[in-house]
Amino acid sequence: EIVLTQSPATLSLSPGERATLSCRASQSVSSYLAWYQQKPGQAPRLLIFDASNRATGIPARFSGSGSGTDFTLTISSLEPEDFAVYYCQHRSNWPRAFGGGTKVEIK
Amino acid sequence: EVQLLDSGGGLVQPGGSLRLSCAASGFTFSSYAMSWVRQAPGKGLEWVSTISPSGPNTYYADSVKGRFTISRDNSKNTLYLQMNSLRAEDTAVYYCVKHDYGYPSDWGQGTLVSVSS
Repeated sequence: EIVLTQSPATLSLSPGERATLSCRASQSVSSYLAWYQQKPGQAPRLLIFDASNRATGIPARFSGSGSGTDFTLTISSLEPEDFAVYYCQHRSNWPRAFGGGTKVEIK
Repeated sequence: EVQLLDSGGGLVQPGGSLRLSCAASGFTFSSYAMSWVRQAPGKGLEWVSTISPSGPNTYYADSVKGRFTISRDNSKNTLYLQMNSLRAEDTAVYYCVKHDYGYPSDWGQGTLVSVSS
């Protein structure tokens, strides 16, 4: 079973700053990793699939990188609506797993 | 527009059963894998189960294997989750999700399942 570990647990930043979120897999997932954003009281939204591909309608300030066991989600310049919790998930094998999440909060 | 309407949640006693439904519209239901993902109060996301587009292939998290059954009726554009032998730790909001790009891409509004005596 593949375990995904996200860091940091909380990221305190100001609007306009760059956010860098990490997701590490316990074994290689190739490029089969996605990133989601969840705001309070809402369902998650798919941002990035297969490590680096933006889903439909996702702004260009969101980018993903990595392969194997180490992945990064970067938000180039935080907008007020970007403060939320972010999760990674793999589709390398069964069972699928989500990471524990990173909360991006306003500093 | 993709719409996923989750229903069937509620309060149930430990050991009880519940069946969740998800009515899908706005896409060709029979062409897409579907899943259930849950989120306990104040906690992160947990993948529960996935079913292939035509239904023969199903997958479960270890935490629900043998107790939950995912199924679909492509003639009714509806996804189901039969939950038996419910435990307190099954308390969560359950989301119906449609897959695209191989991942959950569209999410229902969620239905709350509370397991308590």
